[in-house]
Amino acid sequence: SQTIHQWPATLVQPVGSPLSLECTVEGTSNPNLYWYRQAAGRGLQLLFYSVGIGQISSEVPQNLSASRPQDRQFILSSKKLLLSDSGFYLCAWSKGTATGELFFGEGSRLTVL
Amino acid sequence: KQEVTQIPAALSVPEGENLVLNCSFTDSAIYNLQWFRQDPGKGLTSLLLIQSSQREQTSGRLNASLDKSSGRSTLYIAASQPGDSATYLCAVRPNTGGFKTIFGAGTRLFVKA
Repeated sequence: SQTIHQWPATLVQPVGSPLSLECTVEGTSNPNLYWYRQAAGRGLQLLFYSVGIGQISSEVPQNLSASRPQDRQFILSSKKLLLSDSGFYLCAWSKGTATGELFFGEGSRLTVL
Repeated sequence: KQEVTQIPAALSVPEGENLVLNCSFTDSAIYNLQWFRQDPGKGLTSLLLIQSSQREQTSGRLNASLDKSSGRSTLYIAASQPGDSATYLCAVRPNTGGFKTIFGAGTRLFVKA
């Protein structure tokens, strides 16, 4: 069966510090990978998605970047965090087939102080 | 632009009651519709996925329907239990726009024992 792991679960960082959130998927190959952000009381916002190694699509301009160094690894990064980067970040995957069903990780709570 | 709306934003029911959660979307050109459950501080758990060619899907006490022409989906929960208390999110994957799934803000359900 397929599993998705995301870490760290909780992170408190000062403004201006770097960020690295990691996500890995097991039990499948060539998945589509996604990073979402969830703000309190609002729907999920798609930040990045990737259909293959080194292929990254950005949905919104922001202080964040994403990379996919391996087939089942997706990394969300920032060089200098802003207060507005605080939120709940969710990694997700789907098969690169017709179903398009999304499966999510447990999320990472980022607080920027 | 596709928009997804979930009403009500919050719902409180006594244990044992059958209930319906509503989801509406503005553009009927969708690939699929997915219902998720989210517990506080956790990731999203996929409940049901309905492809555009399908009218409904069932899993245990859950039944989801899809009416593309009217832009509506419902999630029916039979014999509700306190363990059903969570936020339920509806998400639509449009036919166009790549892999950008659009999420509603969710309905927060509380089932009283």
